[in-house]
Amino acid sequence: DAMVIQNPRYQVTQFGKPVTLSCSQTLNHNVMYWYQQKSSQAPKLLFHYYDKDFNNEADTPDNFQSRRPNTSFCFLDIRSPGLGDAAMYLCATSGDGTYNSPLHFGNGTRLTVT
Amino acid sequence: GQNIDQPTEMTATEGAIVQINCTYQTSGFNGLFWYQQHAGEAPTFLSYNVLDGLEEKGRFSSFLSRSKGYSYLLLKELQMKDSASYLCAPVDSNYQLIWGAGTKLIIKP
Repeated sequence: DAMVIQNPRYQVTQFGKPVTLSCSQTLNHNVMYWYQQKSSQAPKLLFHYYDKDFNNEADTPDNFQSRRPNTSFCFLDIRSPGLGDAAMYLCATSGDGTYNSPLHFGNGTRLTVT
Repeated sequence: GQNIDQPTEMTATEGAIVQINCTYQTSGFNGLFWYQQHAGEAPTFLSYNVLDGLEEKGRFSSFLSRSKGYSYLLLKELQMKDSASYLCAPVDSNYQLIWGAGTKLIIKP
């Protein structure tokens, strides 16, 4: 089945130690998104790619970076994780990025910072 | 500013009907999504409304009133597996999804 896959499902990192989360998709979708979601809160958009065109949200901290080497893969790099970065990180895709196109989410990576 | 208002939590009984309301204030409007999110999992798409009225999809229906900035999700014949959070997400004039914090629905036997 075509899907969005995130690895790992759970990630533990130390305060200040760089960490990379990965996302792959077999849907061949043009648009990929990274969201941060804390407990009982709304998902917060960090950035998205339309093909290779990168779009950063204005309030996304510089500590967060992203790479999309090809259509299928996208990575979220957290350069120096702080305790406040502990959250669920959700990757999502959209077929053509039009506003009425539903998002397809991966299962998420739950990040713990110790 | 942009604002989404949903009840934080609701409780209902298995087999019953529940209505989850969402009011929104956005800069422009290009439709509204409802997503379901089980605890610890990712959101999954339920519905999209862009015109006023009720859209029915099996046990789930979604209603929209653009003039009132109001939508609801109606769940019928509730099952235990419907215990989840339900997120309302209108699309603004910049075609951005504006997510609510969600309504946690607890189903009791």
